[in-house]
Amino acid sequence: QVQLQESGPGLVKPSQTLSLTCTVSGDSISSGGHHWSWIRQNPGKGLEWIGYIFYTGSTTYNPSLRSRLTISVDTSKNQFSLNLTSVTAADTAVYYCARYTMSSGPFDYWGQGTLVTVSS
Amino acid sequence: DIQMTQSPASLSASVGDSVTIACRASQSISTYLNWYQQKPGKAPKLLIYTASTLQSGVPSRFGGGGSGTDFTLTISSLQPDDFATYYCQQSYSTLYTFGQGTKLEIK
Repeated sequence: QVQLQESGPGLVKPSQTLSLTCTVSGDSISSGGHHWSWIRQNPGKGLEWIGYIFYTGSTTYNPSLRSRLTISVDTSKNQFSLNLTSVTAADTAVYYCARYTMSSGPFDYWGQGTLVTVSS
Repeated sequence: DIQMTQSPASLSASVGDSVTIACRASQSISTYLNWYQQKPGKAPKLLIYTASTLQSGVPSRFGGGGSGTDFTLTISSLQPDDFATYYCQQSYSTLYTFGQGTKLEIK
């Protein structure tokens, strides 16, 4: 059973960096065939894809966030991480990590999500 | 970006009813269309991928169709557990985008 679990601070001050980690169990990030994404959902709003990473470290980012975004992977820990700099209240959201299966195209496994609030 | 537009934004129905939710893409996406169900406080759950393929474990009362720009999610014989918000998502472009959601409520 594939499981993803987000972890990180629930409160970040404006202008600071939001950092989250996703720990994967039941699958190896290094196995290939998938990429590993971050997706967020502003309170009461829809879903926004943030970016993804392959086990090789290759990334693709949403252009709207690219200038502030870094996604990295640690295959030895079976984890991938999100760093979003210079945050504002608009970055307040539930952040999900998710697995994307390339052969068929959906996000087939998701973490439970973690609420990050940007506030002083 | 490929814009995904769902209709209606909300829908009221009764247990036992059949409902259809529409999703339109701003350009052709072939059948690279996925559907998710989300309940309050929970992560989205994959229901259907590549427009019409049912994810393992999803009840057969869920069905998907369409290609190109127009897609549908049909739920037949609604059950109490089906009242939730539904999202479509395109995977044609690697700038993945979601519809704004359709909230299915009990009448």
